[in-house]
Amino acid sequence: QSVLTQPPSVSAAPGQKVTISCSGSSSNIGNHYVSWYQQIPGSAPKLLIYDNNERPSGIPDRFSGSKSATSATLGITGLQTGDEADYYCATWDSSLSAGVFGGGTRLTVL
Amino acid sequence: VQLEQSGAEVKKPGESLKISCKTSGYRFPSYWIGWVRQMPGKGLEWMGILYPGDSDIKYSPSFEGQVTISADQSISTAYLQWSSLKASDTAMYYCARAIPGTKYLDYWGQGTLVTVSS
Repeated sequence: QSVLTQPPSVSAAPGQKVTISCSGSSSNIGNHYVSWYQQIPGSAPKLLIYDNNERPSGIPDRFSGSKSATSATLGITGLQTGDEADYYCATWDSSLSAGVFGGGTRLTVL
Repeated sequence: VQLEQSGAEVKKPGESLKISCKTSGYRFPSYWIGWVRQMPGKGLEWMGILYPGDSDIKYSPSFEGQVTISADQSISTAYLQWSSLKASDTAMYYCARAIPGTKYLDYWGQGTLVTVSS
């Protein structure tokens, strides 16, 4: 059971928009920055969003992040088949004094 | 920035193991290094994180006492080790650089597959 809760799967058609939620608590998301990672099966994870809504160099602006209270959301617009992957949220947890990941969400682009 | 992990390992239960993560392209003492486990078909799990500058280490409660994280500043390399492996340690292990402060993981190694089987 992950400390951060994500939906197991989401799906949408190419060109459409999808959002992935990440729910936590005051000890983690509520008081710390959230980051998001993309993992294509068979590959290492890749940083998509940091500090709630910042994109690293090279990440297209189709990817966006937001945070409100103890929840965070990853948005992906203009879906492409290459976006099919597992997506994970992460943050620090003050109670655990450790980082935590969400359980991951499998995105299917139909 | 590059993180190069050691190769795949096949071990028997009860054996010890130390895997490595050699870094380059940045000032090793100034960034945290984290280790992440991914069991077969499962999600990412935060194991622990080390700051080479002062050897501060923070373990996730689930991994405290089960593994040891260390580093050698002289060769810009971090390590993850087990003293007695179990079959349940079979997984892919990733190292990643973590930014001071928010500790997000910006650069990742390619992963080391550890298989523990009798």
